[in-house]
Order: sequence, then structure tokens, then C-alpha cells
Amino acid sequence: DIQMTQSPSTLSASVGDRVTITCRASQSISSWLAWYQQKPGKAPKLLIYKASSLESGVPSRFSGSGSGTEFTLTISSLQPDDFATYYCQQSWTFGQGTKVEIK
Amino acid sequence: EVQLVESGGGLVQPGGSLRLSCAASGFTFSSYWMHWVRQAPGKGLVWVSRINSDGSSTSYADSVKGRFTISRDNAKNTLYLQMNSLRAEDTAVYYCARDRDSSWYFAGFDYWGQGTLVTVSS
Repeated sequence: DIQMTQSPSTLSASVGDRVTITCRASQSISSWLAWYQQKPGKAPKLLIYKASSLESGVPSRFSGSGSGTEFTLTISSLQPDDFATYYCQQSWTFGQGTKVEIK
Repeated sequence: EVQLVESGGGLVQPGGSLRLSCAASGFTFSSYWMHWVRQAPGKGLVWVSRINSDGSSTSYADSVKGRFTISRDNAKNTLYLQMNSLRAEDTAVYYCARDRDSSWYFAGFDYWGQGTLVTVSS
């Protein structure tokens, strides 16, 4: 089975910071990767699919890149609404999550 | 507006059974693969099961294989998860989710329900 490993597990940042989260696959997954944002008590929200395609309605400060085994989610300028936990997903396997906290 | 509304969660004893439902509206339910994903308290997301659009093909996580059964009724626009032989480690919020592209070319889950809590405890 393919394993997905996110780093870091926790990230402290300030409003306006550029934030990057990494997701690594245990074997090549081409570009079949999605990113989600989840806030406490809420369902996950799809941000990025096929590694770099922005889901409709998602702000353009979110972007995704990568292929093969290494992927990144970037928030270009962190906003107050962006403090949440982020997950990558390949098919039926999720990463363990990255919590973005206020510094 | 696409909506997914789960129901059927609750408290059940170890070894018991529960059936979750997910009522879909706002889209052509019969055209989409659907999934169940769970999240134990304070933990991450874990995929549980998938069913294709006509219900002829299903997949399960190893942790639930042989105990859980996914099914759908396209006439009622409803997805189900029959959970038998429940264990304490099945305690979680269970979400139903729509497969964005409904194909083997993975494109994420674009709509999720609000979740229903299943607690397995004596």
C-alpha cells in the first residue's frame, strides 16, 4: 500500500506569511493527489485536486505543485481564516495532517 | 445546491451493529461514486469504503473488511454503511463524500456531509 507522509505536523505562522506544506508518497503517484482544509468540528473542504488544479471557489492564494512522490501546498499570504488542519490524499490514503497555528 | 446529510450514528455496545445513511440531493446521485471516511476523536482522516455509481463494485479498508458493507439506493438517492461486529476502535465521526470525477483517475472528494458520530462502548 502507498503511504503518504506530511511535514511538518504542526506549523506556527503569522497572518501574511507564505506557508508551505509537503506531502511525500512512498511510491510514484503521478499527479493523483488532493489537498483538503479542515476546521474543528467541520467536514474537510477540497482545495486542490490532481496536484495543482484549484477547486472552484477556493481563493487563489492556495496553490499546489509536484508530481511523482513529492508535493507541496502553498498559501501565498496566510489569512485569519486559513488557520486549520490540512491533509493530502492519494486515492484512498490520507496523510496524517498538518496543523497551521497562529504564531 | 449539493447536499449530503448523514444519519444513524449513536452509542452501540462492542459487537453490535449500526446502519448509517447518507441522503444526497442537488446532483445526479446515480452518476457518482461515493465514499465513507471516518475520523476518530482528535485523529486524522481515514478512508473506509467506496462504491461505484451503480453499486456493482465496492472497496473496503482492511480494518473494516468483512464487518462493514457499503450499498446505495439510487432511486432513493441514499448511500448506506452497514456496520457489524463493532469494536471500540470504530468510534469516530463518519462522513460520506462524493468522488469528484468518479473514475479510477483520482481527483479528490468534492462534497462531504456534516458527519455522524458513532461511539462503540459498553
